[in-house]
Amino acid sequence: DQQVKQNSPSLSVQEGRISILNCDYTNSMFDYFLWYKKYPAEGPTFLISISSIKDKNEDGRFTVFLNKSAKHLSLHIVPSQPGDSAVYFCAASSGANNLFFGTGTRLTVIP
Amino acid sequence: DAGVIQSPRHEVTEMGQEVTLRCKPISGHNSLFWYRQTMMRGLELLIYFNNNVPIDDSGMPEDRFSAKMPNASFSTLKIQPSEPRDSAVYFCASSLVPLAGDHEQFFGPGTRLTVL
Repeated sequence: DQQVKQNSPSLSVQEGRISILNCDYTNSMFDYFLWYKKYPAEGPTFLISISSIKDKNEDGRFTVFLNKSAKHLSLHIVPSQPGDSAVYFCAASSGANNLFFGTGTRLTVIP
Repeated sequence: DAGVIQSPRHEVTEMGQEVTLRCKPISGHNSLFWYRQTMMRGLELLIYFNNNVPIDDSGMPEDRFSAKMPNASFSTLKIQPSEPRDSAVYFCASSLVPLAGDHEQFFGPGTRLTVL
């Protein structure tokens, strides 16, 4: 059973606009959340993370929001750039070493 | 810094053959993870090791899959016999735990396996 869900398999956004990628989870024990970015023929690379004690974390153009009551997190990219085109994976951890990943959302930023 | 190294990058084999995937984690990392990526399930954790000891192998699909970590710098994932449904991209990742609340894992480039 998928504990981390990304219900949108794909998203297209115009360059310069905001990209919003969503992620839902079912396990209330998750206390740490990460976003990974993956280009074709490469492994995923860490992008940004957030602890459950926060509701927002920002790093340059990337901001992650966490809504614990809704078990929902989102990644905002603003402004979006063509180089942001990739597959984005949401992941969650409950304090153990292992991460639970979603199925990914393919973002296409149109120049 | 070399990063996580995986070999081979691509493997094409026939059903019933044995397949061995290899991984060299980042030097100094004490945890190693094997994942399988499919369209339907995204990145699935197959097994992970802490200090060369398997901790959780509940994600290993069946007895045809086995993984070893004989030392801190090498791990293998073996499929015997392979089946067409095993076709996927297999990733190895490593991390240094415990971290200061950070669970970042570093991924290798993956092995694309095709079983005919």
